[in-house]
Amino acid sequence: AQSVTQLDSQVPVFEEAPVELRCNYSSSVSVYLFWYVQYPNQGLQLLLKYLSGSTLVKGINGFEAEFNKSQTSFHLRKPSVHISDTAEYFCAVKRDSSYKLIFGSGTRLLVRP
Amino acid sequence: NAGVTQTPKFRVLKTGQSMTLLCAQDMNHEYMYWYRQDPGMGLRLIHYSVGEGTTAKGEVPDGYNVSRLKKQNFLLGLESAAPSQTSVYFCASSVLAGGQETQYFGPGTRLLVL
Repeated sequence: AQSVTQLDSQVPVFEEAPVELRCNYSSSVSVYLFWYVQYPNQGLQLLLKYLSGSTLVKGINGFEAEFNKSQTSFHLRKPSVHISDTAEYFCAVKRDSSYKLIFGSGTRLLVRP
Repeated sequence: NAGVTQTPKFRVLKTGQSMTLLCAQDMNHEYMYWYRQDPGMGLRLIHYSVGEGTTAKGEVPDGYNVSRLKKQNFLLGLESAAPSQTSVYFCASSVLAGGQETQYFGPGTRLLVL
């Protein structure tokens, strides 16, 4: 069975500092990988996705993620965060042959001034 | 385009009461999903539908029923609400594009069962 692990439940960081949110998945087959962001009291919004090709994926709001097949990871990074990036971030994985998205438990990014 | 909308936004129920949550999408998507979000557990799939008139169970289907009578609507029903069903419910929709679908989410329905 597939699973997604987000080890950090909360990541505090100062404004303009870099940040990395970690995501590891378990799957023996080809997968598609996604990062979603949830701002307070809102639904989920797609940040970026890896389908195939280049392992470095760029998304909205200056975020990027790198797919590492050997380490089964898809970590999310931003070189300089803003207060407005404070939100919860979810990593998700989907098998090629499946309709279902499997979500991690989420990481709350708290950006402090 | 309104995207994915959910009705109601917030509801309080007493144990044993029933209710229906409505999800509507105007993107002509084939696939629709209902998730629940609980603290520390991410989103878990309740039921999903791959087309009008079809539904299937997800990860946590017990206590819920669904119907997809029209392509644009996906209803989630609670026949006899329990406190364990207190949660935030999200609907999503997607169109399959070679398996590389993106799911688009509604704003959520916050449900409190007393």
